[in-house]
Amino acid sequence: GENVEQHPSTLSVQEGDSAVIKCTYSDSASNYFPWYKQELGKGPQLIIDIRSNVGEKKDQRIAVTLNKTAKHFSLHITETQPEDSAVYFCAAENTNAGKSTFGDGTTLTVKP
Amino acid sequence: EAGVTQSPTHLIKTRGQQATLRCSPISGHTSVYWYQQALGLGLQFLLWYDEGEERNRGNFPPRFSGRQFPNYSSELNVTALELEDSALYLCASSLAKTSGFGGELFFGEGSRLTVL
Repeated sequence: GENVEQHPSTLSVQEGDSAVIKCTYSDSASNYFPWYKQELGKGPQLIIDIRSNVGEKKDQRIAVTLNKTAKHFSLHITETQPEDSAVYFCAAENTNAGKSTFGDGTTLTVKP
Repeated sequence: EAGVTQSPTHLIKTRGQQATLRCSPISGHTSVYWYQQALGLGLQFLLWYDEGEERNRGNFPPRFSGRQFPNYSSELNVTALELEDSALYLCASSLAKTSGFGGELFFGEGSRLTVL
């Protein structure tokens, strides 16, 4: 089955700095790669996603890159703000299996 | 528009008992997923229901089961509860996956199960 590894497990940055979270996946059939943000006491919420026919996607301060050959994808947050502090999860989905396999999460802390 | 709703918010049981958790998906969503999130850990896939049928299940024992009703709401049942079943159980819904690619999961806020 699919295995998703996520690094780092914790990340602390100063407000205004950039943050990068990296994930690798094992199933070459995976074709959908979402990123979710989970705030304390809430369920995860999608912040950006990328499909296997695209190499990069950007939405304001957030960008995701995908390298299908190397089976890894990354989340980039620029100009971080304290409200970006949360747990971030990457996921990989093989649509045939119908399930998203999640990484173990990265706790991001943005210090004012 | 109402989001995914889960009940109960919190549930306390003792070992050996049974727990039933409920989920109402977003209107128009036919797929419902269940994930287990143990404290400090990631999301472990439990079950996927679509159009009333179980489509896939994760690596969990048969003690974990569920069903989806005609109105697309879903129920997760856990029997013979063990201490390690203590976790946040998240339900998510999505539109039917007919495009060939995946789609966004909309999560509820979860049901926290504590087994004593």
